[in-house]
Amino acid sequence: DIQMTQSPSSLSASVGDRVTITCRASQSISSYLNWYQQKPGKAPKLLIYAASSLQSGVPSRFSGSGSGTDFTLTISSLQPEDFATYYCQQSYSTCHFGGGTKVEIK
Amino acid sequence: QVQLVQSGAEVKKPGASVKVSCKASGYTFTSYGISWVRQAPGQGLEWMGWISAYNGNTNYAQKLQGRVTMTTDTSTSTAYMELRSLRSDDTAVYYCARASLKPYYYMDVWGKGTTVTVSS
Repeated sequence: DIQMTQSPSSLSASVGDRVTITCRASQSISSYLNWYQQKPGKAPKLLIYAASSLQSGVPSRFSGSGSGTDFTLTISSLQPEDFATYYCQQSYSTCHFGGGTKVEIK
Repeated sequence: QVQLVQSGAEVKKPGASVKVSCKASGYTFTSYGISWVRQAPGQGLEWMGWISAYNGNTNYAQKLQGRVTMTTDTSTSTAYMELRSLRSDDTAVYYCARASLKPYYYMDVWGKGTTVTVSS
């Protein structure tokens, strides 16, 4: 199985900050990497698919990059509604989620 | 609008089975797959598997092989996930999600979740 390691597991940031979350695959997954946002008590929401494609309706402050084994989700200017947990998910072989990154208010 | 409506919460005893439904609307059901993802209390997301609504092909997480069955009823645009031999660690919120399969697999529309509690 391909394992996904997210870092950090949590972070504290202020509104307006630039935030970067990293996801590393245990082997190359090309661009088969998606990012989701989840708020407490809610279903996950797709943000980015195929490593860098922005899902329709998602604000442009969210962006994804990377290929192979190393991927990044960037929030260019953190907004109050962005405090949530973020998960990466690989779809190259079966499917696995990363452990999640909780973004908290500083 | 595109939506997935899941069945209500369930309480089951260890060893029992549960069957969760997910009714799709607002899109052509057979043009997508349905994935199932669960989340134990305070934990991360765990992918359980997916089913093609077009031809019924399935792909299950290895950990659940032999205990889980995913089916669809195209006449009612409904997907089902049955989990057997329930254990306490199956207690979780179970989500269905619309799955785009080609060229990339991702889950773009989610149900609100069904809470399954396994307790004696």
